[in-house]
Amino acid sequence: SYVLTQPPSVSVAPGKTASITCGGNNIGSKSVHWYQQKPGQAPVLVIYYDSDRPSGIPERFSGSNSGNTATLTISRVEAGDEADYYCQVWDSSSDHVLFGGGTKLTVL
Amino acid sequence: QVQLQESGPGLVKPSETLSLTCTVSGYSISSGYYWGWIRQPPGKGLEWIGNIYHSGSTYYNPSLKSRVTISADTSKNQFSLKLSSVTAADTAVYYCARVGGVVTVTPTFDDWGQGTLVTVSS
Repeated sequence: SYVLTQPPSVSVAPGKTASITCGGNNIGSKSVHWYQQKPGQAPVLVIYYDSDRPSGIPERFSGSNSGNTATLTISRVEAGDEADYYCQVWDSSSDHVLFGGGTKLTVL
Repeated sequence: QVQLQESGPGLVKPSETLSLTCTVSGYSISSGYYWGWIRQPPGKGLEWIGNIYHSGSTYYNPSLKSRVTISADTSKNQFSLKLSSVTAADTAVYYCARVGGVVTVTPTFDDWGQGTLVTVSS
């Protein structure tokens, strides 16, 4: 079955750029979506279709997807960006929504 | 704006059936979209349970399919989750959500309820 692999944690200083990866076999052929989840809150969609932003999501959030890796990039990181981030795809081989294991972003 | 609210028992005994309802406001579920359930065990990641269209068309997580039933009640603008033969491993926060995108190609979860914790314990 298809597997999405995310690093458990990423740390970044305020004002710097954070990159969170999501690995999967030929993931570049799939559409990848990203969610932000702050403690005690429901997830929020921050990137869809690899690189599109829903209304209300800052331009600091961007995404890319190629080969075996999709990446969520957060520029000019702020303390309020500290959260868990999950990637998500649709596995057409089993008609199955898959989430990555999640990455905890820590703002130093 | 679409709002979703989960409701149901917070404690279920092992081997019994977990039942939750999601009430949707701000949008009629019979107007379109798929609607989904996702869960998150304490301290762990997200797990998709399944999606339903108002007509009754469903997609389930293969790992849960034998125990899951998702149904919709358009008259109440609600959809529901039933998970049978629960064990402690089913203890989780359960979220309902509106599904965007193309559900069988690239579904997204655009709007979420606040989630409800269900504990499986005797």
